[in-house]
Amino acid sequence: DVKVTQSSRYLVKRTGEKVFLECVQDMDHENMFWYRQDPGLGLRLIYFSYDVKMKEKGDIPEGYSVSREKKERFSLILESASTNQTSMYLCASSGSTDTQYFGPGTRLTVL
Amino acid sequence: LAKTTQPISMDSYEGQEVNITCSHNNIATNDYITWYQQFPSQGPRFIIQGYKTKVTNEVASLFIPADRKSSTLSLPRVSLSDTAVYYCLVGGGIYGGATNKLIFGTGTLLAVQP
Repeated sequence: DVKVTQSSRYLVKRTGEKVFLECVQDMDHENMFWYRQDPGLGLRLIYFSYDVKMKEKGDIPEGYSVSREKKERFSLILESASTNQTSMYLCASSGSTDTQYFGPGTRLTVL
Repeated sequence: LAKTTQPISMDSYEGQEVNITCSHNNIATNDYITWYQQFPSQGPRFIIQGYKTKVTNEVASLFIPADRKSSTLSLPRVSLSDTAVYYCLVGGGIYGGATNKLIFGTGTLLAVQP
């Protein structure tokens, strides 16, 4: 079974802090994704990566950056967290079939 | 970019067949259609994927007409545990650096009652 893990299930940070969300997949997938999910808005794509050190902006990249130094790991970085970044963050990975496998999510609260 | 439209919610009773339709008028030639299921506080889970005609697995069936501008997820004999949000996803085609943004619909909340 594909396993996608995220570093934290719940995270509380203060405004202005730098936040790292880590995602690891164990299926040697080329593609990895970061989404945020908010009530009434569904899942929105922040960034995705189709190879090591490669990244593409999704629909809402502002305020975020990403890092993919190793194939199995994709990090989402909030350089200076703001309250409007309080959300559920979901990581996913996919191989050649386009089927995405999701992690359990990180619920981030920015105070 | 192919966007999708789904009903916001649907109600059903245990044992009934449920059909959820998704519209995707701007689907591209190499786009696949994928459905996911999401329970509260969990990440979405893959249900079924298709390109055209009909696909069936142990969980659901997916019907895609010839023009591919819509698709219908069919859940046979639903139970209470099928209460979840169902997302229709159109896209894919990430090959060799080419990018097609993957867009989730807003999802359909299916509520199954006893």
